[in-house]
Amino acid sequence: AQTVTQSQPEMSVQEAETVTLSCTYDTSESDYYLFWYKQPPSRQMILVIRQEAYKQQNATENRFSVNFQKAAKSFSLKISDSQLGDAAMYFCAYRSRESGGSNYKLTFGKGTLLTVNP
Amino acid sequence: DGGITQSPKYLFRKEGQNVTLSCEQNLNHDAMYWYRQDPGQGLRLIYYSQIVNDFQKGDIAEGYSVSREKKESFPLTVTSAQKNPTAFYLCASSRDSGNSYNSPLHFGNGTRLTVT
Repeated sequence: AQTVTQSQPEMSVQEAETVTLSCTYDTSESDYYLFWYKQPPSRQMILVIRQEAYKQQNATENRFSVNFQKAAKSFSLKISDSQLGDAAMYFCAYRSRESGGSNYKLTFGKGTLLTVNP
Repeated sequence: DGGITQSPKYLFRKEGQNVTLSCEQNLNHDAMYWYRQDPGQGLRLIYYSQIVNDFQKGDIAEGYSVSREKKESFPLTVTSAQKNPTAFYLCASSRDSGNSYNSPLHFGNGTRLTVT
């Protein structure tokens, strides 16, 4: 079974600075998707960024980028020019790209609570 | 605008009562999911439905039941058999169908259930 580990329960960053959130995962599969979701105090889950495992290029969405290291099974999220609105719980998630069995499931890490200090 | 609607936002029940959480989507998505969120636990999958009239148990299905009579709706019933029902419940949907699981999940705003 796949597992997702976020080793930083809490992180903080000064406004306008850069912060990196860590995520590692365990899988025997070669084709899969990785996601970062953001959950602000409203508790709405918002997709931040998605990475396809077969793509070597790291995904980028405006101030959010990932460092995807497939061999190391690492998928960190970098937030540049942090803003107060970035304060939230961030979840890393894994999903198999292969059909069958329980592969429909999105497996989540336990989350990292990010605080942005003004 | 398309989206997922969960109602109510807050729900209170007495122990021993069954309660049903509503989830409706107008995204025309085939797949729908129920997750439970507890502090420090991340999200855990309760039930999943890939198509109307079909659903599968997730990791923590005991004490819960679902139905999928319409594509738009996937209600979750928390039964009295659920030992620790107080939690935040999130419904989600995705475009996935058939053998393709490449779509992200879209989430509703959640229902906070408190059982006393």
